[in-house]
Amino acid sequence: GAVVSQHPSWVICKSGTSVKIECRSLDFQATTMFWYRQFPKQSLMLMATSNEGSKATYEQGVEKDKFLINHASLTLSTLTVTSAHPEDSSFYICSAKRGPVGETQYFGPGTRLLVL
Amino acid sequence: RKEVEQDPGPFNVPEGATVAFNCTYSNSASQSFFWYRQDCRKEPKLLMSVYSSGNEDGRFTAQLNRASQYISLLIRDSKLSDSATYLCVVTSSGTYKYIFGTGTRLKVLA
Repeated sequence: GAVVSQHPSWVICKSGTSVKIECRSLDFQATTMFWYRQFPKQSLMLMATSNEGSKATYEQGVEKDKFLINHASLTLSTLTVTSAHPEDSSFYICSAKRGPVGETQYFGPGTRLLVL
Repeated sequence: RKEVEQDPGPFNVPEGATVAFNCTYSNSASQSFFWYRQDCRKEPKLLMSVYSSGNEDGRFTAQLNRASQYISLLIRDSKLSDSATYLCVVTSSGTYKYIFGTGTRLKVLA
């Protein structure tokens, strides 16, 4: 099966700092990657869709200047939470989709962010 | 109304029991349907895709009813290891976006 990795798996930071999360597809090329956020006891909420070589598409209510997404290659997308605040503490999960054919998304293991 | 709705549970069932979950969706143009499993503090993992003809994978059977806009998941002979949250996922026509339900929590008891 397809493998997606995320790094770091968890991070604790002070309020006001920026945090960068990497998402990699290890054994396939991902033209599209997705970033989700999950708060406790809630479902995954799509934050943005990231296409290789183009600007990310953000969902309504997600600040693009706060959550910077870069998808510079077919195997790597990064999410940077800028000037993180305690309310940004959450479980961030990326997923990747193989090429244009097929719709199954493969999820990374997630990154737990705690902002103090 | 939420786009994808599930009963959050929890469903507490004894080992060996048969349990069924339903999920309703509001967008009739929805194109693809999946069941994912999520363990506590882990990422979702694909359990199975759901087709109109129904599909079965071992103890798991998934069904899609387009007319009534719901999908179901049946688990037979429940195991302790089946304890998890089961997420219903729907995609819309023309997009690859996943819309997740809130999940149904299952706890299989010894």
